[in-house]
This record gives sequence, C-alpha cells and structure tokens, in this order.
Amino acid sequence: AQSVTQLGSHVSVSEGALVLLRCNYSSSVPPYLFWYVQYPNQGLQLLLKYTSAATLVKGINGFEAEFKKSETSFHLTKPSAHMSDAAEYFCAVSDPGNTPLVFGKGTRLSVIA
Amino acid sequence: DGGITQSPKYLFRKEGQNVTLSCEQNLNHDAMYWYRQDPGQGLRLIYYSQIVNDFQKGDIAEGYSVSREKKESFPLTVTSAQKNPTAFYLCASSQGQGGSPLHFGNGTRLTVT
Repeated sequence: AQSVTQLGSHVSVSEGALVLLRCNYSSSVPPYLFWYVQYPNQGLQLLLKYTSAATLVKGINGFEAEFKKSETSFHLTKPSAHMSDAAEYFCAVSDPGNTPLVFGKGTRLSVIA
Repeated sequence: DGGITQSPKYLFRKEGQNVTLSCEQNLNHDAMYWYRQDPGQGLRLIYYSQIVNDFQKGDIAEGYSVSREKKESFPLTVTSAQKNPTAFYLCASSQGQGGSPLHFGNGTRLTVT
C-alpha cells in the first residue's frame, strides 16, 4: 500500500525566506502526487499535482514542487514566504490506478514577521 | 459556482446517539470520499464511492456507515459504535479517474460528549 511521509510536523520561517516542506513517498511505480493547503477550520485546497508530465510542477500562490524518482521525493518550495502562507500543508499520493489518495500527516507552516 | 457543501459546520451530540453528516456536490463528479482529520494524524479515509449505489470501506470504516443513492449526495452516519467520534470530517469528490485531484468541502466539526 502507498504511504507518504512528511518530515517535520511544524516548520517556521521568516517572512521573505525560502519555504521548503519535505515529502517522501513509497511506491515501486511512479505515482500521482499532490500538495494541498488547509487554513484553519476549512477544507483542503489543491496547490499543485504531478501526473507524470514535467518533473518540476508549478502551482498556485508561487509554490512549486519537484518530482525526484531516485529519491522518491516531492518536496514543496516557495522562494519567499509571505505571512498569508501560514497554514497546514499536506502531501498526498495515489497509485496510477483509480485508487483513493493517501495523505501524509501534514506540516504546519508558521511565518514570522 | 460548483462545489461541495457540507452541513452543518458544527455538530454536537450526546454519546450513544447516531448522527448523520451531509455532503452534496454539484460538480458532476463520479467519486466521493469521506475523510476524518485529527490533530497530528493527517487525513484518514473512512469510506469512498466511485459510482452510485456502490461504496468501499477505507482504512477506518468501523463505526461508520454511508449511502450513495444519488450521484450528488454521499451522507455519512457516525454510529454509537464509533469509539472516538469527536473529530473534523471532510467530504471530497473527484472525477474518479486516476490522477484526478480531490475537491473538498469545508468540513463538519463533530463533538460528542
């Protein structure tokens, strides 16, 4: 079964600093990979997805992620953090078939002024 | 605008009572899902349905039941058999094809005392 590991339950960065949120998956075949963002007491919003096209995926709000098969990773980055980026971020994975997404435990991002 | 509506936003029940959470979508999506979210545990799949009148158990189905009589509706019943029902419940839908992203509702926070 698929699984996904997000390193660091809480990441804190200064406003304007680089944001790096880590995600590793377990799969013997290239999966579908997603990043979602959740603001307090709301549902999840799709940031970006990888579905076997370009390995560098650009998403909304200036975020991007790079699929690295050799490292089974799909880390999320943003060059310059903004206060509005403070939220919880979830990495998710699914097999190439029609299977439900499996989510990581999430990383809470704090942005310090 | 198309989307997913979960109601109510907050729900309070006494222990031993069954309670039904509503989820409606007007995105014409084939697949619908219920996830449970607890602090630090990410999202865990309760049930999902890929077609009307059919559904499958997820990872934590015990103590829950669902129905899918209409394409746009996927209600979740939290029964008295669920040992720890207090949580944030998220409904989602997708086109159902491999790699299709999930679209989420804004969730229902259930408190059982």
